[in-house]
Amino acid sequence: DQQVKQNSPSLSVQEGRISILNCDYTNSMFDYFLWYKKYPAEGPTFLISISSIKDKNEDGRFTVFLNKSAKHLSLHIVPSQPGDSAVYFCAASEGAQKLVFGQGTRLTINP
Amino acid sequence: GAVVSQHPSWVICKSGTSVKIECRSLDFQATTMFWYRQFPKQSLMLMATSNEGSKATYEQGVEKDKFLINHASLTLSTLTVTSAHPEDSSFYICSVWGGGQGFSPQHFGDGTRLSIL
Repeated sequence: DQQVKQNSPSLSVQEGRISILNCDYTNSMFDYFLWYKKYPAEGPTFLISISSIKDKNEDGRFTVFLNKSAKHLSLHIVPSQPGDSAVYFCAASEGAQKLVFGQGTRLTINP
Repeated sequence: GAVVSQHPSWVICKSGTSVKIECRSLDFQATTMFWYRQFPKQSLMLMATSNEGSKATYEQGVEKDKFLINHASLTLSTLTVTSAHPEDSSFYICSVWGGGQGFSPQHFGDGTRLSIL
């Protein structure tokens, strides 16, 4: 049972444009949602998080939106830069401990 | 964020060998450490939760006698894959969590790629 799903395995965006990565979940008990970025041969790096009591959190070029009724969250990166090319994982947790990860989306930023 | 060191980064060994992987939190005391496994083209799957000074809690389907976890201090946890077989070949990665009230994210090491011949 895949509780967190990222349905797009890959996404290609032109440099300077907006990148939108999507994530769906099924467990309504999740209370925190996180996005991690991963380069090859490295561990995931924490990007941004959002509590289930909020619908938006912004940090520089990164904004996460949460739609609880749809059980959907998205990560917006604007403007996209070549260094943003990586695999992005959506994760969710109950009580900020155990994380359940999505399958990841490979983002490629084209010059 | 926290700096997490994982060692070794890559290991190849023969079937039947036991392999130990270390996870160190370099700049803060980690109340809780987590061990994950990632097979190719799949997501990170939690294997076990390790709290300092107590026994690890394993996820369903993870053999505790095969994957031995020791969390003897607030800065070090080890995962030993005992009598490893080719099906244990995977990417193993640890994370640390400082605990406490309020939200704080987990911070990950760079992982260990284990290949069993």
